[in-house]
Amino acid sequence: QVQLVQSGAEVKKPGASVKVSCKASGYTFTSYDINWVRQATGQGLEWMGYMNPNSGNTGYAQKFQGRVTMTRNTSISVAYMELNSLRSEDTAVYYCARDYTHPDFWGQGTLVTVSS
Amino acid sequence: DIQMTQSPSSLSASVGDRVTITCRASQSISKYLNWYQQKPGKAPKLLIYTTSSLQSGVPSRFSGSASGTDFTLTISSLQPEDFATYFCQQSYNSPLTFGQGTKVEIK
Repeated sequence: QVQLVQSGAEVKKPGASVKVSCKASGYTFTSYDINWVRQATGQGLEWMGYMNPNSGNTGYAQKFQGRVTMTRNTSISVAYMELNSLRSEDTAVYYCARDYTHPDFWGQGTLVTVSS
Repeated sequence: DIQMTQSPSSLSASVGDRVTITCRASQSISKYLNWYQQKPGKAPKLLIYTTSSLQSGVPSRFSGSASGTDFTLTISSLQPEDFATYFCQQSYNSPLTFGQGTKVEIK
């Protein structure tokens, strides 16, 4: 069965970076894009960008341009999302989601807390 | 960016009720509208894709339809496990955008 398993919760100080991983199983990793979406507590869903695991091509939401990097390791079917220059407003649950024509399967989420 | 306006933001309903949630796109998105269900502390779960296609394993009481840029999610007979927050999302173009959510609560 399709699974996306994300890395554990992180606590970071303002100005630091965080790198979240998303391990895929149950399907061909390079056949589907990976989206990253975040959700602050009690808030809606915010798309951050996507990566094509086959080509490595990425597309980022303008809000995160210059601060986010999405990469992958195809040999172990893992996608990564790194966010730099963290601020308190980046405190949220970060999700990866598989996408062919639409996001279908989602990871369980990774809570990133930014606090001094 | 395409704006997705979802209504209502919350509603109270009883088991067995018919529930309708609406999402309006700020421009044409063709049929590329998806619906998700989210329960507290859980990831969103895909219910309906491309307006009206039921995701595998999702009960048939969930259905979707459209009229122009207005999209509707209908739950024909609300069940206890359906109390959750529902989001619409357009996948017509980038950036993907979501409605603000509709919380369905027990009356």
